[in-house]
Amino acid sequence: DIQMTQSPSSVSASVGDRVTITCRASQGISSWLAWYQQKPGKAPKLLIYAASSLQSGVPSRFSGSGSGTDFTLTISSLQPEDFATYYCQQANSFLPWTFGQGTKLEIK
Amino acid sequence: QVQLVQSGAEVKKPGASVKVSCKASGYTFTSYGISWVRQAPGQGLEWMGWISAYNGNTNYAQKLQGRVTMTTDTSTSTAYMELRSLRSDDTAVYYCAVVRGVIYYYMDVWGKGTTVTVSS
Repeated sequence: DIQMTQSPSSVSASVGDRVTITCRASQGISSWLAWYQQKPGKAPKLLIYAASSLQSGVPSRFSGSGSGTDFTLTISSLQPEDFATYYCQQANSFLPWTFGQGTKLEIK
Repeated sequence: QVQLVQSGAEVKKPGASVKVSCKASGYTFTSYGISWVRQAPGQGLEWMGWISAYNGNTNYAQKLQGRVTMTTDTSTSTAYMELRSLRSDDTAVYYCAVVRGVIYYYMDVWGKGTTVTVSS
């Protein structure tokens, strides 16, 4: 299976900060990558698909980039509701899917 | 609107089986697949597998091969996930999600989750 490695595992930031989370695949996955946000006790929420396409209804401060093996999720100006755990997920249609281990975004 | 309603919490003994249901509404069930994802307490997300509601094709995570079976009932727009030979490390919240996309796939609507506890 393709391994997905996120960094950092946790990050502290303040409201208004710009935050970048990275995700690396163990082999090339083109743009078959999605990003999810999860808050405690809730189901994950889709933010980005196809590496850079913003899901409908998701604020434009969220953006995704990358292809191949290296990807990033950027939050341009953190809002209080953005403090959560973020997961990348490879979605190659021909292989089993896998998630990264998660990045916990905490308030500084 | 698209919605997935999952069955209630389960408590099982080691070695038993559990079958979780996921009833879809708000869309044509056979148009999209259903994926299952689980999350052990305090841990990350683990993809379990996917089933096409159109033709029943499945793709399971390698570590669960032989213990998991995903099925659908198109007459009731319901997907099922059965996990056998339960162990304590199967204790988790189990989510179903709608899989959409044509070339690039994603899970954009999720159920609220079903807690499965495995304990003697």
